[in-house]
Amino acid sequence: DTGVSQDPRHKITKRGQNVTFRCDPISEHNRLYWYRQTLGQGPEFLTYFQNEAQLEKSRLLSDRFSAERPKGSFSTLEIQRTEQGDSAMYLCASSFTGGDSYEQYFGPGTRLTVT
Amino acid sequence: KNEVEQSPQNLTAQEGEFITINCSYSVGISALHWLQQHPGGGIVSLFMLSSGKKKHGRLIATINIQEKHSSLHITASHPRDSAVYICAVRSQGAQKLVFGQGTRLTINP
Repeated sequence: DTGVSQDPRHKITKRGQNVTFRCDPISEHNRLYWYRQTLGQGPEFLTYFQNEAQLEKSRLLSDRFSAERPKGSFSTLEIQRTEQGDSAMYLCASSFTGGDSYEQYFGPGTRLTVT
Repeated sequence: KNEVEQSPQNLTAQEGEFITINCSYSVGISALHWLQQHPGGGIVSLFMLSSGKKKHGRLIATINIQEKHSSLHITASHPRDSAVYICAVRSQGAQKLVFGQGTRLTINP
């Protein structure tokens, strides 16, 4: 399968712990996006990368959140000192900027539960 | 007011019915996406459009740029169409998507 993959699919953690999620985009895609989706809502933008450069960050991305894409391939999203309000589905998507296609392809998501 | 509004929020219909989901947005856009999300979270892109109309199988998407409105239609609906349908827009000059709240569609046999 050459789609977007995310790991882990589910994570349960206690309040105050740090968690890290990984996203592997489609291999030729140079753009990678992180979104967060809470129950019953549409996804919300967190941040995006073009290659290894982080080009935009949402105000939702507090100081406890950090994202990296060190070699322009996979990306990690870390949440420090988790809070119950961080419980959500974290979605990764990737796209390729060639031609006129800006189609974003989504991964299956990582569901985070903070207890 | 959200930049992207969908209606209805929930829709239940009988198998075979013609379904319409609406999306209104308030910003200038370069593209509008219709997405499908099944239980468990996976999101699949159905359409990306910037003008006119697109058709894929039983699904039809239309957009009116002047009125800032798009519709997703499903003909001959089937229980397997049950899912959450999400409208998302990409503003002019931006890369991120801004999403509507989603429409939960249930098709009963």
